[in-house]
Amino acid sequence: NAGVTQTPKFRILKIGQSMTLQCTQDMNHNYMYWYRQDPGMGLKLIYYSVGAGITDKGEVPNGYNVSRSTTEDFPLRLELAAPSQTSVYFCAAADTMNTEAFFGQGTRLTVV
Amino acid sequence: GENVEQHPSTLSVQEGDSAVIKCTYSDSASNYFPWYKQELGKRPQLIIDIRSNVGEKKDQRIAVTLNKTAKHFSLHITETQPEDSAVYFCAAKYEVTGGGNKLTFGTGTQLKVEL
Repeated sequence: NAGVTQTPKFRILKIGQSMTLQCTQDMNHNYMYWYRQDPGMGLKLIYYSVGAGITDKGEVPNGYNVSRSTTEDFPLRLELAAPSQTSVYFCAAADTMNTEAFFGQGTRLTVV
Repeated sequence: GENVEQHPSTLSVQEGDSAVIKCTYSDSASNYFPWYKQELGKRPQLIIDIRSNVGEKKDQRIAVTLNKTAKHFSLHITETQPEDSAVYFCAAKYEVTGGGNKLTFGTGTQLKVEL
């Protein structure tokens, strides 16, 4: 089991560019989450999904979009990158019964 | 929604001493309280969790206590070791109206264990 896998690990974007952060899990978990972690700060929820075809906004959704076409994949889309989106992004997955959240290794994004 | 506050933001202890990190939450409907450890440059990993029907849980040198009435929970690490140095996050999970659940994190505590 790979658990939760995120790609890429690092990325530098120019202002106004777009990109997709990939997240895939092989644990067959229904719940998936995207968090951002700013330096010295906690984790802020961007979007979450309770199952394929269902997504909902978290605390800081502006500037992001997600989709959940399969149980395994939960990509995060940035359409017009801004310096305020410089952060480390973590994807996580959790089962509905066992509520431990398993995190991916993170994507460090810098917008210049 | 849920609001989780965590204190202190930094904590320095001598090796062998105990460390205590405290969190409060706002939503009385929260029913699951995990603690995560994040080493520098790594992903957060669960170290212990407690559910709302339990007041205390222990796993070797770490323990968590929950006071539902006061809406606060704490992490206790005894006999601290240098490898305990990391950032620790508390979190609270609550059910969202209409289905689903959210995990809200505290802002983290940087624990440093000094030799």
